[in-house]
Amino acid sequence: GQNIDQPTEMTATEGAIVQINCTYQTSGFNGLFWYQQHAGEAPTFLSYNVLDGLEEKGRFSSFLSRSKGYSYLLLKELQMKDSASYLCAAMDSNYQLIWGAGTKLIIKP
Amino acid sequence: IAGITQAPTSQILAAGRRMTLRCTQDMRHNAMYWYRQDLGLGLRLIHYSNTAGTTGKGEVPDGYSVSRANTDDFPLTLASAVPSQTSVYFCASSDGERGADTQYFGPGTRLTVL
Repeated sequence: GQNIDQPTEMTATEGAIVQINCTYQTSGFNGLFWYQQHAGEAPTFLSYNVLDGLEEKGRFSSFLSRSKGYSYLLLKELQMKDSASYLCAAMDSNYQLIWGAGTKLIIKP
Repeated sequence: IAGITQAPTSQILAAGRRMTLRCTQDMRHNAMYWYRQDLGLGLRLIHYSNTAGTTGKGEVPDGYSVSRANTDDFPLTLASAVPSQTSVYFCASSDGERGADTQYFGPGTRLTVL
């Protein structure tokens, strides 16, 4: 079956660095997406990886290892506004997204 | 440019009633999607449309129907609502007919079926 695993909740301190891990199993693979979702709002796109390696975009970076079925989202210099859920989604061979349940990130001052 | 709009924002519905959730995008995207989001679960695809005039079933299509008469609109209909359809519903769209395109989401409709 197809499955995405990510931690349910994480806590970090303002100004620190946090890494949110995601493992996936899909029928075929056409890339890994990360979205941010603030409470009561829609998911918004953060990053897309299809090749192995690290993609950096400002304070956010995303890493992919296709051989391990593994990705992580790295958030640096955490700000209070980064408190949100972070959704990992893998695209299968039919170009449909398989979503994880999300990781709720709590930032403490 | 509004992007994707959904209506209503929220709705309380009696079981057995028919309900249509509206979704409109102004980005001229080919593909559109309907998801439901429930606490503790990932987004689950209900139905999708790769281009105007075509639709397909997602992971959880039972009890729902869609139509895609034109590029902009993708309504979702619950023919006879049941309490298990209480959820937050998101419409999304992406640029290509097929491919690893980014999906952009509407603000959601919070539906409660009593």
